[in-house]
Amino acid sequence: NAGVMQNPRHLVRRRGQEARLRCSPMKGHSHVYWYRQLPEEGLKFMVYLQKENIIDESGMPKERFSAEFPKEGPSILRIQQVVRGDSAAYFCASSPPTSTYEQYFGPGTRLTVT
Amino acid sequence: AQRVTQPEKLLSVFKGAPVELKCNYSYSGSPELFWYVQYSRQRLQLLLRHISRESIKGFTADLNKGETSFHLKKPFAQEEDSAMYYCALSPGGYQKVTFGIGTKLQVIP
Repeated sequence: NAGVMQNPRHLVRRRGQEARLRCSPMKGHSHVYWYRQLPEEGLKFMVYLQKENIIDESGMPKERFSAEFPKEGPSILRIQQVVRGDSAAYFCASSPPTSTYEQYFGPGTRLTVT
Repeated sequence: AQRVTQPEKLLSVFKGAPVELKCNYSYSGSPELFWYVQYSRQRLQLLLRHISRESIKGFTADLNKGETSFHLKKPFAQEEDSAMYYCALSPGGYQKVTFGIGTKLQVIP
């Protein structure tokens, strides 16, 4: 099992562009979580998804951010019209359906907005 | 609402000294508590959970419901313990896990 995969590992975008971050969960995992880590800060929950369903998006900014986890393919975190404050490490985690606390983390995507 | 508090951003101890990483939580029900660890250049990974009452890499954590705490302890720190430690809470079911802001443990040789 390859573990949780995230790509790209590093992403540079200019202000106003769109950023798309991908996450492939571990095999057999149907739950995906996205977290953001700002410099010198801890993990902040963003969104929790199951296949084709958003369970909890209470940590997502109201504008410009969206997430999906389609029936086929990876989960996507999309940030439209990026600003400098979006620069951060974005981590994805997945868990099996029977133990949602046991989260397996990906290596993260470091987004830099110039 | 659930909350996890880790009061120390940075904890420095000498090698061989005891370690205690503090974690307090607030939740009205009976949550599950966990510690996650992130070593330098590695992924965040689950270290231990209170239900299993196990010792991993010499670390233990006891859930104190009266004090709503779940402190992580190790009697003798090793240099390889230097890492970022996150306390986390799960209400169970399909609800989200809440992480603390993390404590950076620095073991001085």
